[in-house]
Amino acid sequence: DAKTTQPPSMDCAEGRAANLPCNHSTISGNEYVYWYRQIHSQGPQYIIHGLKNNETNEMASLIITEDRKSSTLILPHATLRDTAVYYCIGAAGNKLTFGGGTRVLVKP
Amino acid sequence: GAVVSQHPSRVICKSGTSVKIECRSLDFQATTMFWYRQFPKQSLMLMATSNEGSKATYEQGVEKDKFLINHASLTLSTLTVTSAHPEDSSFYICSARDDRAGEKLFFGSGTQLSVL
Repeated sequence: DAKTTQPPSMDCAEGRAANLPCNHSTISGNEYVYWYRQIHSQGPQYIIHGLKNNETNEMASLIITEDRKSSTLILPHATLRDTAVYYCIGAAGNKLTFGGGTRVLVKP
Repeated sequence: GAVVSQHPSRVICKSGTSVKIECRSLDFQATTMFWYRQFPKQSLMLMATSNEGSKATYEQGVEKDKFLINHASLTLSTLTVTSAHPEDSSFYICSARDDRAGEKLFFGSGTQLSVL
């Protein structure tokens, strides 16, 4: 799996967009960028993933730079329930290796 | 989305006993499942890859005789912590990929093991 770098923590305001950066400069051409989040004492929840193109679903948007060395997860309207640890993972195939993630605190 | 059920959610046991944790894919088949362990305030650490009908593949440093994995069907994998000790106390999480579609992994809700 590609090595990823994320800020350890981030605060954001409720109702505002939350932009979570991730660097994955060593990502291989066949490795996807995955985003998961983990709310305290629960299993990780899938958010979104992509290979080259930007992706959007009901939870979030994923913006991948053209050189694929970094990406940004966008939560369009953060709510208090979005408080969690967010993990960015670069991987091909099944196995996912989790790094430290970004601890996101959504404040009222 | 696909559902992975993990049971039990919490278990407390005495030192020296064995504990079995089940991981089921409820609405899809999963040839491959994964077992992770997570200590407080740390990230998830992959322990092993569980393959239906064959032996599990363990990550470096994980004792295969300590953590027995059985993947007897396409919807069920079990992790047995044998002769548990207090240092085995941890949050254990399984995950599975739908064989039919995509690259997404779905995770169970985790099992908190406390060994007294």
